[in-house]
Amino acid sequence: NAGVTQTPKFQVLKTGQSMTLQCAQDMNHNSMYWYRQDPGMGLRLIYYSASEGTTDKGEVPNGYNVSRLNKREFSLRLESAAPSQTSVYFCASSGLGSYEQYFGPGTRLTVT
Amino acid sequence: SQKIEQNSEALNIQEGKTATLTCNYTNYSPAYLQWYRQDPGRGPVFLLLIRENEKEKRKERLKVTFDTTLKQSLFHITASQPADSATYLCALQSFGNEKLTFGTGTRLTIIP
Repeated sequence: NAGVTQTPKFQVLKTGQSMTLQCAQDMNHNSMYWYRQDPGMGLRLIYYSASEGTTDKGEVPNGYNVSRLNKREFSLRLESAAPSQTSVYFCASSGLGSYEQYFGPGTRLTVT
Repeated sequence: SQKIEQNSEALNIQEGKTATLTCNYTNYSPAYLQWYRQDPGRGPVFLLLIRENEKEKRKERLKVTFDTTLKQSLFHITASQPADSATYLCALQSFGNEKLTFGTGTRLTIIP
């Protein structure tokens, strides 16, 4: 039982490049989330998915897209990376009727 | 706009003493308040959830209080140990809303 896994752990991009961050959970959770964490800003919600086939914007969605591929997987795509997207990205999940969230280990992204 | 403040960026406590962390919020009527622990380079880990109609919740050496009149939660770690050193995040959630809003965290150091 791995919980929430994220790939890659680290990534360096040049401005304008694209990439997809992958997230998977094996807890049969309905809801999944993508956050970014920046110094002094706390965790901010980018997008979330309440169930397979649905996605909604969070606090800071601009510059990102998401796909809820199936119940297990929720990916985050940066189409044209910008230095402002340098951050640590966390994926999380939560079960139906349960409020606590389970987080992955994070992806540290640097955009130069 | 909604605002969550965790009153100290950093807190140093002598081993064995009680550590008390504060979470204040404005322009928010949360139904649930959660506390998470985050170690360097890792994702947050859920600790406790308290509901708006609960005054206090305990789990082993942890105690959380929730005062909706003062718009404040206090998080206590009794008999603190160096292993309790971490960043602690509070997060608020409205009723029927899966989204969490996080504070910026307090970095707690327990000094042997």
